[in-house]
Amino acid sequence: GQQLNQSPQSMFIQEGEDVSMNCTSSSIFNTWLWYKQDPGEGPVLLIALYKAGELTSNGRLTAQFGITRKDSFLNISASIPSDVGIYFCAGQGPSSNTGKLIFGQGTTLQVKP
Amino acid sequence: DTAVSQTPKYLVTQMGNDKSIKCEQNLGHDTMYWYKQDSKKFLKIMFSYNNKELIINETVPNRFSPKSPDKAHLNLHINSLELGDSAVYFCASSQDGWTDTQYFGPGTRLTVL
Repeated sequence: GQQLNQSPQSMFIQEGEDVSMNCTSSSIFNTWLWYKQDPGEGPVLLIALYKAGELTSNGRLTAQFGITRKDSFLNISASIPSDVGIYFCAGQGPSSNTGKLIFGQGTTLQVKP
Repeated sequence: DTAVSQTPKYLVTQMGNDKSIKCEQNLGHDTMYWYKQDSKKFLKIMFSYNNKELIINETVPNRFSPKSPDKAHLNLHINSLELGDSAVYFCASSQDGWTDTQYFGPGTRLTVL
């Protein structure tokens, strides 16, 4: 089945630093989504991407839908302590007409004040 | 005015018991989902219902049975609980089953002893 490889698995950075994480797949996706999960909470959508090449920002967050439709990245600029959490990429494939999302393994981000 | 709510938040039970987790969404969405997040934080879809009709049924033991009394509710019943069922279970909903954003509930942490 379809799988997403997300990297890095974890990051420990200093407050103020920029962060980059990415997801790759062996098959193409029609939609890429980035979610953040805080401890004890459910994932919350950060950015949704619907077209190859699309670059979308949400505050300090920027995400891009790769041209090949097989990858996506998320950048966080000037990190702050509340950025701590687990970031998940998720994709919907072209064969999916049921809303089925495939999730990456997650990137755990820790920010040192 | 919680969008997607789940009860209970925590559930501790003995092996062999039967338990239920309830989910309700007040967003007027047509589609609801159940996900399982394992100890490594990997999120995997289990079921999806659209207007009370089952549309996704992943390879899940038949001890798990979703029930949707109406499109605002999707409950998860688990029979004969096993140790490996311990996980966090998330309910989610979306406007329809296609490319719409999925909104997640806060999760139910199930611990089977």
